[in-house]
Amino acid sequence: TQLLEQSPQFLSIQEGENLTVYCNSSSVFSSLQWYRQEPGEGPVLLVTVVTGGEVKKLKRLTFQFGDARKDSSLHITAAQTGDTGLYLCAGRGGADGLTFGKGTHLIIQP
Amino acid sequence: NAGVTQTPKFQVLKTGQSMTLQCAQDMNHEYMSWYRQDPGMGLRLIHYSVGAGITDQGEVPNGYNVSRSTTEDFPLRLLSAAPSQTSVYFCASSYGRHYEQYFGPGTRLTVT
Repeated sequence: TQLLEQSPQFLSIQEGENLTVYCNSSSVFSSLQWYRQEPGEGPVLLVTVVTGGEVKKLKRLTFQFGDARKDSSLHITAAQTGDTGLYLCAGRGGADGLTFGKGTHLIIQP
Repeated sequence: NAGVTQTPKFQVLKTGQSMTLQCAQDMNHEYMSWYRQDPGMGLRLIHYSVGAGITDQGEVPNGYNVSRSTTEDFPLRLLSAAPSQTSVYFCASSYGRHYEQYFGPGTRLTVT
């Protein structure tokens, strides 16, 4: 069974600060997806990274896929209150489909 | 284009009652799935379907039934609700099991 560990589990920072959250595994994934889930709603896809070492930018969000395709990180620059939410990573690897991590709960304080 | 819709939004059941959570999508996706989300447990796959007439079990299928008579609809049935089934349930659809999942807004179920 492929597992994805996300850290930290909870993170609360002030608006304007930078932060990085992580998604790690001992397994190799052919691609990895990042979702954001706001309270009372379903997760929404932010980005998919496919190639080892790949970096994708989405405005203030920077996603990186590890060279070995076992880990990924999400860096947010100058966090805003609208970034508050649950960030989930999901790996594509085994026959069962996507493997989801448990998520990082991010709170941006005004 | 409504995407993935789920009803009801909230539901309270007594132990032993049955109910069906409805899910529909209008994106002509072949793959549909049901997840439950619990604090500290993340999203866990209950059942999935790769097309009309085809369903299979996920990680936590016990206590749940599904059917897929049309491409659009994928209802989840609880035959005899238990307190352990208190959770938030999400339906999702996509072009395939490894592709971007489009999630519905969720159903918050409480079993007393």
